[in-house]
Formats: sequence, C-alpha cells, structure tokens
Amino acid sequence: DIQLTQSPSSLSASVGDTVAITCRASQTVASNLHWYQQTPGKPPKLLIYGASTLQSGVPSRFSGSGSGTHFTLTVTSLQPEDFATYYCQQSSGTVFSFGAGTKVEI
Amino acid sequence: EVQLLESEGALVQPGGSLRLSCAASGFRFSDYGMGWVRQAPGKGLEWVSDISATGSSTYYADSVKGRFTISRDNSKDTLYLQMTSLRAEDTAVYYCAKDRRYDARVAAGTSWDYWGQGTLVSVSS
Repeated sequence: DIQLTQSPSSLSASVGDTVAITCRASQTVASNLHWYQQTPGKPPKLLIYGASTLQSGVPSRFSGSGSGTHFTLTVTSLQPEDFATYYCQQSSGTVFSFGAGTKVEI
Repeated sequence: EVQLLESEGALVQPGGSLRLSCAASGFRFSDYGMGWVRQAPGKGLEWVSDISATGSSTYYADSVKGRFTISRDNSKDTLYLQMTSLRAEDTAVYYCAKDRRYDARVAAGTSWDYWGQGTLVSVSS
C-alpha cells in the first residue's frame, strides 16, 4: 500500500505569511493527490484535487503542485480562518490513504 | 444543496456489530461513488471503504477488510456500512463522503467534495 508522509507535522505562522506543506508518496501516484483542510469538530473540506486543481469556491491563495511522489500545498497570505489541519490523500489504484496531517498554528 | 446525514452512532461491545447509514439529498445519488472515512479521537483521517455509483465495485482498507461491508440502495439514496467483529481500534467518528466526479468509471482519482457531519462509534466493554 502507498504511504504518504507529510512535513512538517506542525508549524507556527502569522496572518499574512506564506506557508508550504509537503506530501511525499512511497511510490508514484501520478496526479491522484488531493488536499483537505479540517478545523476542530468539523468534517474535512476539499481544497485541491488532481494535485493542482482548485476546488470550486476555494480561495485562490491556496495552490497545489507536484506529480509522481512529491507534492506541495502552498497557502499565501494566511488568513485567520486558515489556521487548521491539512491532509493530503492519494487515490492511485483501489486502496486510498491519507497523510498524517499538518497542523498550522498561530 | 447537497446534504449527507449519517445515522446515530453507538457504544458497542468488542466483537459486536453495527450498521451505519448515510442519507443523501441534493444531488443524483446514483451518479456518484461514495465512501466512508473515519477519524479516531485526536487522530488523523483514515480511509475505510468506497463504492462505485452502481454498487458493482467496492474497495476496502486492509484494516477493515473481511469485517466491514459497504453497500448502497440507489432507490433510497442511502449508503450503508455494515461493521462486524468490532474492535477497540475501530472507535472513531465515521464520515460518509461523496465522490467529486460525476459517473466515474474507475476508482483512481477519487476525492470527496461533500462530507457528512460524522457519527461516533465507540467500541468498549
């Protein structure tokens, strides 16, 4: 099965900062890599699918890049509502998996 | 408006069984694959199972294979997860989720654009 390694596991940032979260796959997932945001007590929210396509309604300060085994989620000009936990998810084949998450804190 | 409403969770003894349901509305249920994702208290997300739009194809995480069964009733717009031989490590909030893609023919590429609010399943004696 494909393992996803996210880094860092947590980071501290301020409003207005730009942050980058990486996700590495144990084997290629092509572009079948997606990003979610989750705040406490809420279900996840899809931000990016297919490695780089912004989900409808998601602000353009979120962007994704990468293919194969190395992916990055970048958030520019952090807003207060962006402090949350971010997960990558792969769907290459028929067994899916999530990364362990990256908590973005003030 | 898309809505996914999971059935109420429960406290179940180890070795017991429970069936979760997820009632869907606001979209043509029979055109979309669906999935279950769980989250243990204070932990990350774990994919559990997925089912194609017609129900003809099902997929499972190794951790639940042989114990959980996903199914759907397209006439009732409802997704199910039958859980048997429950273990303490199955304790989690269970979310149902809708595949983003219309009429997807392959599992590869699955992502979920709408999620239920989640239901807590606790396995303990």
